Amino acid sequence: DVKVTQSSRYLVKRTGEKVFLECVQDMDHENMFWYRQDPGLGLRLIYFSYDVKMKEKGDIPEGYSVSREKKERFSLILESASTNQTSMYLCASRTTGFYGYTFGSGTRLTVV
Amino acid sequence: GENVEQHPSTLSVQEGDSAVIKCTYSDSASNYFPWYKQELGKGPQLIIDIRSNVGEKKDQRIAVTLNKTAKHFSLHITETQPEDSAVYFCAALRETSGSRLTFGEGTQLTVNP
Repeated sequence: DVKVTQSSRYLVKRTGEKVFLECVQDMDHENMFWYRQDPGLGLRLIYFSYDVKMKEKGDIPEGYSVSREKKERFSLILESASTNQTSMYLCASRTTGFYGYTFGSGTRLTVV
Repeated sequence: GENVEQHPSTLSVQEGDSAVIKCTYSDSASNYFPWYKQELGKGPQLIIDIRSNVGEKKDQRIAVTLNKTAKHFSLHITETQPEDSAVYFCAALRETSGSRLTFGEGTQLTVNP
């Protein structure tokens, strides 16, 4: 069964900490995405990547960065966590030419 | 860029009734419209999609309709069951290299036994 795996289901971090959210897919997909999910706002795109070492800003990139050193892994980095980054974070991937996404189960991050 | 609006934000129906969720989009060049279902504690899962060259698509109890002129599309669930209870998201994109999905705000569907 193909999978997108997010390393943590729940995380609690302190304000100012550097936070790493990891996502791994086993489908050899070229495209990977990080979304943030908040009630009433739907899914908002933070960053995405078309290939290894490539990244593009989404709609809400401020306060985040990403890293894609290997095709299967896409990391989201909060350089200095703030309370307004408390949210559910969803990773997704898709193969080139097919536009349906496969999502991970999400990481619920709380910044205190 | 694309903007997708989704209504209603919550929907409660009795088991066996039908449920309809509606979305509008802004970019007339968008040509791919998927629907995702998110169950509690899980990531969204693709349940059905439609492309702009067809007006309707059906898969057992779920169907999607598309009106390109009005730029809106809808999800129809018939004979609802308690396991249909979830958050549903619509989305849209233009199928070109580098494109990405824009999602609606989501609809919490509750099917009461």
